[in-house]
Amino acid sequence: EVQLVESGGGLVQPGGSLRLSCAASGFTFSSYWMHWVRQAPGKGLVWVSRINSDGSTTNSADFVKGRFTISRDNAKNTLYLQVNSLRAEDTAVYYCTRDLQIWGQGTVVTVSS
Amino acid sequence: EIVMTQSPATLSVSPGERVTLSCRASQTLSSNLAWYQQKPGQAPRLLIYGASNRATGIPARFSGSGSETEFTLTISGLQSEDFAVYYCQQYNDWPRYTFGQGTKVDIK
Repeated sequence: EVQLVESGGGLVQPGGSLRLSCAASGFTFSSYWMHWVRQAPGKGLVWVSRINSDGSTTNSADFVKGRFTISRDNAKNTLYLQVNSLRAEDTAVYYCTRDLQIWGQGTVVTVSS
Repeated sequence: EIVMTQSPATLSVSPGERVTLSCRASQTLSSNLAWYQQKPGQAPRLLIYGASNRATGIPARFSGSGSETEFTLTISGLQSEDFAVYYCQQYNDWPRYTFGQGTKVDIK
């Protein structure tokens, strides 16, 4: 069974950092582009970042502005999102997705003092 | 950035009815459009890709059509499990993927 399981979310103060993880199973992780998409409470879906199969190419939404870094470890079948300089408006559920087709259940990031 | 506009924002329907959801793009997409379903507390689920291709395991009552800037998702014979929010998403202008704001389908 194809599965994506996110972790690493939590409550963090403004300006803080978190490292989100996404453990993949049931497919050849190293063959796929992977993405992060977020959803603020009661709002719609917003694409955040993507990374190619071997990790050599990454792209991010403009609003990330160098604060977020996507990476992957194909030996561990794991996708990461390092989120720094967090702001209240970064509060959201963060989903990892395989090719925007298969989605994990998300991890919640809350930025508040 | 390509802006995706969905209409209506909310649709109240009865089980068994035929439902048509619209999605308009600010620039031409060819057929590079997907539709997702999201139920409360759940992750989005891919329904349609390439504007008209059903994803694996998606029932035949879901169909997509359209091209360029005008797209439609049709649900023929709405079932109770279909009450949800539906999003369109363009992937023509990658990597600047954008989603519509969603259409909520609720029970009349």
